[in-house]
Amino acid sequence: KAGVTQTPRYLIKTRGQQVTLSCSPISGHRSVSWYQQTPGQGLQFLFEYFSETQRNKGNFPGRFSGRQFSNSRSEMNVSTLELGDSALYLCASSLYGSGEETQYFGPGTRLLVL
Amino acid sequence: AQSVTQLGSHVSVSEGALVLLRCNYSSSVPPYLFWYVQYPNQGLQLLLKYTSAATLVKGINGFEAEFKKSETSFHLTKPSAHMSDAAEYFCAVNVNSGYSTLTFGKGTMLLVSP
Repeated sequence: KAGVTQTPRYLIKTRGQQVTLSCSPISGHRSVSWYQQTPGQGLQFLFEYFSETQRNKGNFPGRFSGRQFSNSRSEMNVSTLELGDSALYLCASSLYGSGEETQYFGPGTRLLVL
Repeated sequence: AQSVTQLGSHVSVSEGALVLLRCNYSSSVPPYLFWYVQYPNQGLQLLLKYTSAATLVKGINGFEAEFKKSETSFHLTKPSAHMSDAAEYFCAVNVNSGYSTLTFGKGTMLLVSP
């Protein structure tokens, strides 16, 4: 089975722009979660989607949004980019998104905001 | 709210020595606990997890961890370090059985010297 894939792997944007990141989960997985990783704040949960519905959301401003499609692929969008949005964005998938399930992570998208 | 504390941002060991990475959690409900490893420019890979079955959990690459409720700890150990174990290790907790929302510790960088 193919693992979790994320595109693009690297991205450079300027302040004020918006960006869309994509995540394709492992085949058959219906839950997709997104995390932000920075040197200062570490790994922080952004949101989780299951069957095209956002089930849970972390403590991030409304500039961060996401969606999930019927094939479980997910996108996250960041509008009005700020320098502090520079980070590695990781997505993870699991079958049903239950607490004890293993989440399988993609390689991440590294976003640099100039 | 749950939290995870990893003692020591960096741990240095010699090849062949015991590896001990510490993780303490706070949670008002029984948690699910995970250890992930991250190699440079890669996503996270699951090493092992505790989901309320056996308290001593064995994982991949010779790692194991013991869940100690009285100490609220889930320390990661490996009897003999290899050079290939050099990476960053993250302890994570999920206290919600219905959502795949991981709360991560700040991570511990393991350095292995020959």
